[in-house]
Amino acid sequence: QKEVEQDPGPLSVPEGAIVSLNCTYSNSAFQYFMWYRQYSRKGPELLMYTYSSGNKEDGRFTAQVDKSSKYISLFIRDSQPSDSATYLCAINQAGTALIFGKGTTLSVSS
Amino acid sequence: EAQVTQNPRYLITVTGKKLTVTCSQNMNHEYMSWYRQDPGLGLRQIYYSMNVEVTDKGDVPEGYKVSRKEKRNFPLILESPSPNQTSLYFCASSNLGGRADEQFFGPGTRLTVL
Repeated sequence: QKEVEQDPGPLSVPEGAIVSLNCTYSNSAFQYFMWYRQYSRKGPELLMYTYSSGNKEDGRFTAQVDKSSKYISLFIRDSQPSDSATYLCAINQAGTALIFGKGTTLSVSS
Repeated sequence: EAQVTQNPRYLITVTGKKLTVTCSQNMNHEYMSWYRQDPGLGLRQIYYSMNVEVTDKGDVPEGYKVSRKEKRNFPLILESPSPNQTSLYFCASSNLGGRADEQFFGPGTRLTVL
């Protein structure tokens, strides 16, 4: 089993929809979870950062971690065309490296 | 402006011709890393550095070299490039005392090896 699994999509939604992006991971020792956003022809940028289980909200974005299920989610409310990008989950491995999911490509149509 | 820069942004070369991709950050970050991104495989770490003169292998180091002689620079060296090294390369740096969490990525270098 790969350490981080992420459905690559693509995912297409209309403007204003609620988007749910998900990853599963295999190692229960992981503690730091991140979501990066990557626009076409750009480098990834950190969107959300969470530690341990629970929710973290930042504007229209909510990151959720369920350590018992080894499942992390990113919710986007009131999605906008500017949210069209690839979303990468990432998990910190031993403090020296990030393990990335393969990314989910999201397209929000106006 | 805080940033990670990479040069060149695009490069087409031939098998066996040594090349260097430069990476520089102006944020005084201790941690720097190189990734390659391939369709269907995602981002994979090549090498990373926790500080000057401290480097270590990532998941896919074969065929690559790095050096960290100065804090701001972390060049990626391909001594004898091969077509399977055709990829999109990203340099990244982190300011968390050597931890790898909040990484700032450069704009990417698209390399084609013929």
